[in-house]
Amino acid sequence: DTGVSQDPRHKITKRGQNVTFRCDPISEHNRLYWYRQTLGQGPEFLTYFQNEAQLEKSRLLSDRFSAERPKGSFSTLEIQRTEQGDSAMYLCASSLAGTPLGDEQFFGPGTRLTVL
Amino acid sequence: QKEVEQNSGPLSVPEGAIASLNCTYSDRGSQSFFWYRQYSGKSPELIMSIYSNGDKEDGRFTAQLNKASQYVSLLIRDSQPSDSATYLCAVTEYEGGKLIFGQGTELSVKP
Repeated sequence: DTGVSQDPRHKITKRGQNVTFRCDPISEHNRLYWYRQTLGQGPEFLTYFQNEAQLEKSRLLSDRFSAERPKGSFSTLEIQRTEQGDSAMYLCASSLAGTPLGDEQFFGPGTRLTVL
Repeated sequence: QKEVEQNSGPLSVPEGAIASLNCTYSDRGSQSFFWYRQYSGKSPELIMSIYSNGDKEDGRFTAQLNKASQYVSLLIRDSQPSDSATYLCAVTEYEGGKLIFGQGTELSVKP
């Protein structure tokens, strides 16, 4: 049973460019979450999916951010017209909702984004 | 704004001592409570979950929950230098919902 994987692990881009990150959850996990973490802070929720349905999106998430989980397996997070303030670690987590330990979320290694 | 508060630290303890990490949360409806360990430059790793009042022990770790006081703690017995990390407290308000994290407490265990 492999863990959550994320790709790429590091991304350096110039301001104004678009970037896309991928997350593969633990197999059979039906929920997939995206968080963002900046230095010295705890992770901050962005959005989550149950299967292919996006159930919640943070009010802090601007319309430059979009996420998809088209077949209920992997997910992508796209940031359009990146800004320097988007520089952060983007974390993906998954869980198996509907089970006794369904609240437990397991994180991938993260994608570190640097916007120049 | 639902909040989770932790002392940012750093908390420094000698090797072999007990480290005590504390967390308070604002939402009385919170259901599930978690402690994650995060090494520098790495992602959070789940180390403890607790759902009901009282203590839960797992090896050298004990989580304590007091819903009336809206308080969660983590005790690490026989602290080791390898325990040096940032410890994140997180809560959920409903089953399978998003995690709300505190800012983390940095723990340093000195040999």
